[in-house]
Amino acid sequence: KAGVTQTPRYLIKTRGQQVTLSCSPISGHRSVSWYQQTPGQGLQFLFEYFSETQRNKGNFPGRFSGRQFSNSRSEMNVSTLELGDSALYLCASSTDGRWTYEQYFGPGTRLTVT
Amino acid sequence: AQKITQTQPGMFVQEKEAVTLDCTYDTSDQSYGLFWYKQPSSGEMIFLIYQGSYDEQNATEGRYSLNFQKARKSANLVISASQLGDSAMYFCAMREDSNYQLIWGAGTKLIIKP
Repeated sequence: KAGVTQTPRYLIKTRGQQVTLSCSPISGHRSVSWYQQTPGQGLQFLFEYFSETQRNKGNFPGRFSGRQFSNSRSEMNVSTLELGDSALYLCASSTDGRWTYEQYFGPGTRLTVT
Repeated sequence: AQKITQTQPGMFVQEKEAVTLDCTYDTSDQSYGLFWYKQPSSGEMIFLIYQGSYDEQNATEGRYSLNFQKARKSANLVISASQLGDSAMYFCAMREDSNYQLIWGAGTKLIIKP
């Protein structure tokens, strides 16, 4: 069974631009969660989608948004990029998201904002 | 307030020795789960072990065991017979049943010396 894939793996953007990151979960998994990892703030939960609905959201500004498609693939979008958005963005998938010990993580997308 | 505390920013351990990574947590929920993840330099988050708050036995997965002391609110990870490939960042995380998100500790960087 293929693992969680994230594209692109690396991205360089300029302040003020917007970016879209993609996550394809493991086949059969309907829950996708997104996390931001930075040296200063550590790992922080962004949001979780289940069956195309945002089920939970972390404390991030509205510039961070996401969506999930009917095939469970998920995208997250960051508008008006700031230098502080430079981070590793991880997505994780699970069967239904209630018991996250089943969460499987992708390799991450490393975003650099200049 | 910090919900997950990992007091060891870094550790050096001799190969084949056992190592204990500390984790304390804070929650008022009666039902919660505790997790340990490993993150190698490649960035991917790898699930190691899970302990539910109502589990009476300490969780074990191969060389990994979780020393769960509920009254002390601690969930230390024990790695027996450490290997060079164990060198990585290790994160303790908690999921409270009142929400679906994982709350993460700051991590411990473990380096195994040959």
